[in-house]
Amino acid sequence: DIQMTQSPSSLSASVGDRVTITCRASQSISSYVNWYQHTPGKAPKLLIYAASSLQSGVPSRFSGSGSGTDFTLTISSLQPEDFATYYCQQSNSLPLTFGGGTKVEI
Amino acid sequence: EVQLVESGGGLVQPGGSLRLSCAASGFTFSSYSMNWVRQAPGKGLEWVSYITSSSGAIHYADSVKGRFTISRDNAKNSLYLQLNSLRAEDTAVYYCARRAATNGYYFFDYWGQGTLVTVSS
Repeated sequence: DIQMTQSPSSLSASVGDRVTITCRASQSISSYVNWYQHTPGKAPKLLIYAASSLQSGVPSRFSGSGSGTDFTLTISSLQPEDFATYYCQQSNSLPLTFGGGTKVEI
Repeated sequence: EVQLVESGGGLVQPGGSLRLSCAASGFTFSSYSMNWVRQAPGKGLEWVSYITSSSGAIHYADSVKGRFTISRDNAKNSLYLQLNSLRAEDTAVYYCARRAATNGYYFFDYWGQGTLVTVSS
């Protein structure tokens, strides 16, 4: 199974900050990484697919980069509605696996 | 508008069974592969199972293989997950998620709000 290791597991930030979350795969997975935002009580939301493609309707302050084993999700200017938990997920092979999550707190 | 609405969760004793449903609307259900993903209390997301649009291919996580069964009824726009031999570690919110694809890349583009399964005596 491919392990996805996210860091940090949590971070504190302020509105307007630039936030970077990293995800490392246990083996090379090309660009088969997706990023999701999850707020308690809500449905998870797709932000980025194929490592760097912005999902339709997602604000441009979100961006993704990386290939191979190292991937990054960046929020260029944190907004109040961005306080949530973020997950990376590999779609290279079954079983599909998620990172452990990064909780972004005020 | 795409909507996925899960139901069927509840409290069940260890060893018991439950059937979850996911009602889909706002898209051509029969054209999409579907998945179940769960989140245990205080834990991250865990993929559970996958079924192709015509039920031609089905896959499970090792943690549920032999105990859970995924199925779908395209005429009813519904996805199901039969949970048998439930254990305490199956306690989680269960989400259904639609799988989309672009240029060979696959991702979950829509999710439901989840249904809570609690396994406890």
